[in-house]
Amino acid sequence: GAVVSQHPSWVICKSGTSVKIECRSLDFQATTMFWYRQFPKQSLMLMATSNEGSKATYEQGVEKDKFLINHASLTLSTLTVTSAHPEDSSFYICSAMRTSGPRELFFGEGSRLTVL
Amino acid sequence: GENVEQHPSTLSVQEGDSAVIKCTYSDSASNYFPWYKQELGKRPQLIIDIRSNVGEKKDQRIAVTLNKTAKHFSLHITETQPEDSAVYFCAASRNAGGTSYGKLTFGQGTILTVHP
Repeated sequence: GAVVSQHPSWVICKSGTSVKIECRSLDFQATTMFWYRQFPKQSLMLMATSNEGSKATYEQGVEKDKFLINHASLTLSTLTVTSAHPEDSSFYICSAMRTSGPRELFFGEGSRLTVL
Repeated sequence: GENVEQHPSTLSVQEGDSAVIKCTYSDSASNYFPWYKQELGKRPQLIIDIRSNVGEKKDQRIAVTLNKTAKHFSLHITETQPEDSAVYFCAASRNAGGTSYGKLTFGQGTILTVHP
């Protein structure tokens, strides 16, 4: 099956620093990718829809200046958590949809962010 | 926006018994309903999905039923095994087949424990 890879799988950073998480579709092109956040023992919450070559669409309540999304190519979307704080500690998961062919959706492995 | 409610939050069964998890949704325009299994620290894995033009779908020990009128859908697992133990999430989205069907609203999750 198709593969979506996230990097890093886990990261620890100091409060106030910025962290970039990459989401790559390894064997297919993805015009659209989605970023989710999952706090411990909770559900996945959609943060934003990432569109190749255009601005991301953010869900209500998600600060676009804090969670910067860039989708510069058909196989890569990045999420940058700027000025991270302990409350941003979470599991961030991306998903990607094929640009052509069957509309299948594939999830990345997730990235665990811990902000000290 | 869409709201998905999932019950129960925890479910404990004996090996070989059946397990049923139920979800309701609020947006009558939703037409794609996937179920995911998530193990601790891992990505969600699609186990079965159903579109609104179908009332029931089965794949070996797993089945999903959909009642569009009542806006609820259920996951049925028969002959449960210890390896079925995980967190299960239902989800809903609009526009099955289009780009926005990847924009999933998840239920709160059900922790399923299958005792040997």
